[in-house]
Amino acid sequence: DSGVTQTPKHLITATGQRVTLRCSPRSGDLSVYWYQQSLDQGLQFLIQYYNGEERAKGNILERFSAQQFPDLHSELNLSSLELGDSALYFCASSPGGGHEQFFGPGTRLTVL
Amino acid sequence: ELKVEQNPLFLSMQEGKNYTIYCNYSTTSDRLYWYRQDPGKSLESLFVLLSNGAVKQEGRLMASLDTKARLSTLHITAAVHDLSATYFCAVDEDRDMRFGAGTRLTVKP
Repeated sequence: DSGVTQTPKHLITATGQRVTLRCSPRSGDLSVYWYQQSLDQGLQFLIQYYNGEERAKGNILERFSAQQFPDLHSELNLSSLELGDSALYFCASSPGGGHEQFFGPGTRLTVL
Repeated sequence: ELKVEQNPLFLSMQEGKNYTIYCNYSTTSDRLYWYRQDPGKSLESLFVLLSNGAVKQEGRLMASLDTKARLSTLHITAAVHDLSATYFCAVDEDRDMRFGAGTRLTVKP
């Protein structure tokens, strides 16, 4: 158990819908990262927040957005969902840059 | 653009044998990480390498970093079945984080 929690574990929805994935980092970690893992794209870095501020942006689509709240939990919002958005979404946390990241169990999103 | 290449992508080896996984990257970053992922599971941190020449060992796995060659290696010694998993390297450069495609390792008796 990494100490990072993600909810929900599974999510099934339809194309065009909007979903919110939630992540709670390890106690004391200020950085939260979001990743998408799919069979064809591999593990893709989406976005990083540090202490409430966006710090780095990867291959995140404009339909996706994220935020980190004052209590340091983070949410990833996915809208106008497409079949290709079906994937495992991981959240990870770390004390900050230059440290190993601890990954949550992931949310498996299926878009039908 | 930061690029990270791992090879091989698939590795089937017999128990007791040694092998090396290679991770090449395109920048001058000195922050490199190795992770392990079991099927259907999350990623588990194995090694953190933060300087040129860094070497870390845990059990049958040893990781090293050569920032001048932009290369990290993950060496497996006397493989056992429990090491079967997918191994990822990842490079952190300021505001970008890239993972390699992963090496799927299968250790056969």
